[in-house]
Amino acid sequence: SQELEQSPQSLIVQEGKNLTINCTSSKTLYGLYWYKQKYGEGLIFLMMLQKGGEEKSHEKITAKLDEKKQQSSLHITASQPSHAGIYLCGAVSGGTSYGKLTFGQGTILTVHP
Amino acid sequence: GAVVSQHPSRVICKSGTSVKIECRSLDFQATTMFWYRQFPKQSLMLMATSNEGSKATYEQGVEKDKFLINHASLTLSTLTVTSAHPEDSSFYICSATGANEKLFFGSGTQLSVL
Repeated sequence: SQELEQSPQSLIVQEGKNLTINCTSSKTLYGLYWYKQKYGEGLIFLMMLQKGGEEKSHEKITAKLDEKKQQSSLHITASQPSHAGIYLCGAVSGGTSYGKLTFGQGTILTVHP
Repeated sequence: GAVVSQHPSRVICKSGTSVKIECRSLDFQATTMFWYRQFPKQSLMLMATSNEGSKATYEQGVEKDKFLINHASLTLSTLTVTSAHPEDSSFYICSATGANEKLFFGSGTQLSVL
């Protein structure tokens, strides 16, 4: 079965700082989703990557999928308190139902004003 | 606006009772719905895959008689936690996908069993 490892598990930064969260898969990624969550609440879709080398940006958040399609990174530029939350990567593995995701354990981001 | 509606958002029940959670796709036909569970400070774990008109496929370790899933229409799937116990207290969240292969998550249900 596919496993996703996120690093770091938690991150505390000062407002305005840049940060990167990594998601490494034990198998080839056929699709990689990034979500943001606050405990007890639903998931906020950030980005979805499919192609090796693909990079997408939305506001101050950029996500990349490496050429080998086994690692993705999420980069936040000039972080703000509103970026605080739990970031989850979710992977679609080949041969399974579309939409069936395996999630990483999450990265807890705290941004101090 | 939300394309997948999950209800209720929070429920508190007594031990031994059953609780039903609904997941509705609002403006598309959801051929497949997924149910996840999330314990505090842990990630989402897939419980089962639900295809309209057929029996749900449960992940290893998930009791199908405990967590009843019904996907009787293309817009509604329900998860019933039968004879709930305190260890079933968790955050339950559904997702849905259809012909366009876009994936949408519900807003989740926080279940507390006393």
